[in-house]
Amino acid sequence: NAGVTQTPKFQVLKTGQSMTLQCAQDMNHEYMSWYRQDPGMGLRLIHYSVGAGITDQGEVPNGYNVSRSTTEDFPLRLLSAAPSQTSVYFCASSEQGAYPTDTQYFGPGTRLTVL
Amino acid sequence: GNSVTQMEGPVTLSEEAFLTINCTYTATGYPSLFWYVQYPGEGLQLLLKATKADDKGSNKGFEATYRKETTSFHLEKGSVQVSDSAVYFCALIRPFFSGGYNKLIFGAGTRLAVHP
Repeated sequence: NAGVTQTPKFQVLKTGQSMTLQCAQDMNHEYMSWYRQDPGMGLRLIHYSVGAGITDQGEVPNGYNVSRSTTEDFPLRLLSAAPSQTSVYFCASSEQGAYPTDTQYFGPGTRLTVL
Repeated sequence: GNSVTQMEGPVTLSEEAFLTINCTYTATGYPSLFWYVQYPGEGLQLLLKATKADDKGSNKGFEATYRKETTSFHLEKGSVQVSDSAVYFCALIRPFFSGGYNKLIFGAGTRLAVHP
């Protein structure tokens, strides 16, 4: 049972380049989400999904795109990278995202630098 | 709105010292409260949680009590170890009756460094 996996672990991009951060989970969780972690700001929600084919925006969605074609995968796309997107990105999944007692499981993160 | 405020770090302690990391929150209704821990190079892991007032969450020697009267959820450990060195995040989930996907709201995190 691998839990939540993310690739790549590190990535350096030039301004204007595009890329996709991969996230997969093998726990059959319906709810998945993407966060970014910036110094002194904790984690902020970018996008989330409540099931295959259903996505919605979080607090900081601008510049990011998501899709959810399967239960297992939830990729995050940067359409045109900007230095402000330099951050550590975490993917998370949970079984009962609609309940306040739910536990979220996090991946190991992707450290992205945009030059 | 809903928010979480944590004490600023880093917190530096000697092994076997007592640990307190303060956390206060602002929320409508009755949120569930969480402590997550992030070890170096890893993702976040749930450390403990409490879902209603006066509940005490505990795990691995850490404890936190949900205090509605002071809107606090301070993390404590009686005797820290070097292996406890990590970043600790306090978080809340807005009340269930708000509807929709319950999003975690995180504090800024507090770095703990424990020296032998």
